[in-house]
Amino acid sequence: KQEVTQIPAALSVPEGENLVLNCSFTDSAIYNLQWFRQDPGKGLTSLLLIQSSQREQTSGRLNASLDKSSGRSTLYIAASQPGDSATYLCAVSFDRGSTLWRLYFGRGTQLTVWP
Amino acid sequence: GAGVSQSPSNKVTEKGKDVELRCDPISGHTALYWYRQRLGQGLEFLIYFQGNSAPDKSGLPSDRFSAERTGESVSTLTIQRTQQEDSAVYLCASSSRGLAEKTQYFGPGTRLLVL
Repeated sequence: KQEVTQIPAALSVPEGENLVLNCSFTDSAIYNLQWFRQDPGKGLTSLLLIQSSQREQTSGRLNASLDKSSGRSTLYIAASQPGDSATYLCAVSFDRGSTLWRLYFGRGTQLTVWP
Repeated sequence: GAGVSQSPSNKVTEKGKDVELRCDPISGHTALYWYRQRLGQGLEFLIYFQGNSAPDKSGLPSDRFSAERTGESVSTLTIQRTQQEDSAVYLCASSSRGLAEKTQYFGPGTRLLVL
């Protein structure tokens, strides 16, 4: 069974800190992994997508890494800002059969960055 | 439109009533997805449409749930005889093709509360 787990469930940090969000998955046969951001009352916004052949992706202050063998991904946020406060979701596409489009989501990490 | 839109944004209904939720995907997107997000849970896949192919309904939780899509445009998710456990945010997403490489763009969701 494909499962995606995120820890911690919630995180509260002061502005300026560097932080790491964790995502783990039970099946190492992944196709790709995405990190999304969800703001209250809004839909999800894709932040980074890592293909199975890649080890990391970077966008601005965000860096996502992928270690298939250990079934883990981390999202690193540098110099956090209050505007980063949101729920961060990890979603995995598993390379099993013809359903590569199907995403399996973790429950998310609710991040609060206070001034 | 510029993004995926959903209506209504909020819906309160009584147990046993039927509800219809609407999704307008990004113009030109052939793939459309419905997800459910219950409080404290990750996103659950419900149904997937790709062009004129038969939809993948494997995520629908019961036969009270059904969805339709006209061509490559609007989709409607119908829940018959609603139950309290149907209370959730229902999210719609679309992508240019039903491939994992193609980022799914999400709408803001419909918040359904069944009393």
